[in-house]
Amino acid sequence: GQNIDQPTEMTATEGAIVQINCTYQTSGFNGLFWYQQHAGEAPTFLSYNVLDGLEEKGRFSSFLSRSKGYSYLLLKELQMKDSASYLCAVSATYDYKLSFGAGTTVTVRA
Amino acid sequence: DVKVTQSSRYLVKRTGEKVFLECVQDMDHENMFWYRQDPGLGLRLIYFSYDVKMKEKGDIPEGYSVSREKKERFSLILESASTNQTSMYLCASSSTTAEQFFGPGTRLTVL
Repeated sequence: GQNIDQPTEMTATEGAIVQINCTYQTSGFNGLFWYQQHAGEAPTFLSYNVLDGLEEKGRFSSFLSRSKGYSYLLLKELQMKDSASYLCAVSATYDYKLSFGAGTTVTVRA
Repeated sequence: DVKVTQSSRYLVKRTGEKVFLECVQDMDHENMFWYRQDPGLGLRLIYFSYDVKMKEKGDIPEGYSVSREKKERFSLILESASTNQTSMYLCASSSTTAEQFFGPGTRLTVL
């Protein structure tokens, strides 16, 4: 099976930076996704990493180390609207399935 | 703009009832998925489909079946609903890029 771990909860202050770590042990690897999910809503795509390194997209960045089975999502200049659950998902096989971690709930305080 | 829709946002059913959850996507995607989402467990794959009339079991298929008669529509069926099937059900679709687009979810309560 696939094993994907991420912290359950994180709290940070508006304007600060938060880093959400994700470690994975999977039978294969084709890429890693990060999704954002606000309470009661559908998950929405944030980023995709397939090669080692950092991908930056505005206030959000995602990093991948394939050799370490590790990724992180970096949220900068936190805003109240960033309060949400962040899901790490790995594409481990060549059949387009994704295996999800349990999600990290980020709470941004004023 | 890509769109995945689900037939109901909230549904309340009784134990033993047959339940149909419908999902429609307008992106001409080949792949469609059904997940359930429970606190602390994340998204767990129930069934998926690569093409019309094709289906594959996911990680937790017991108690569920699916139907895909048309490319745009993927239905999840609970043959005899039980209380442990109370959950949030999410449908998703994807093409060959593996990025999945999700519907808004159906919160099902089985009494």
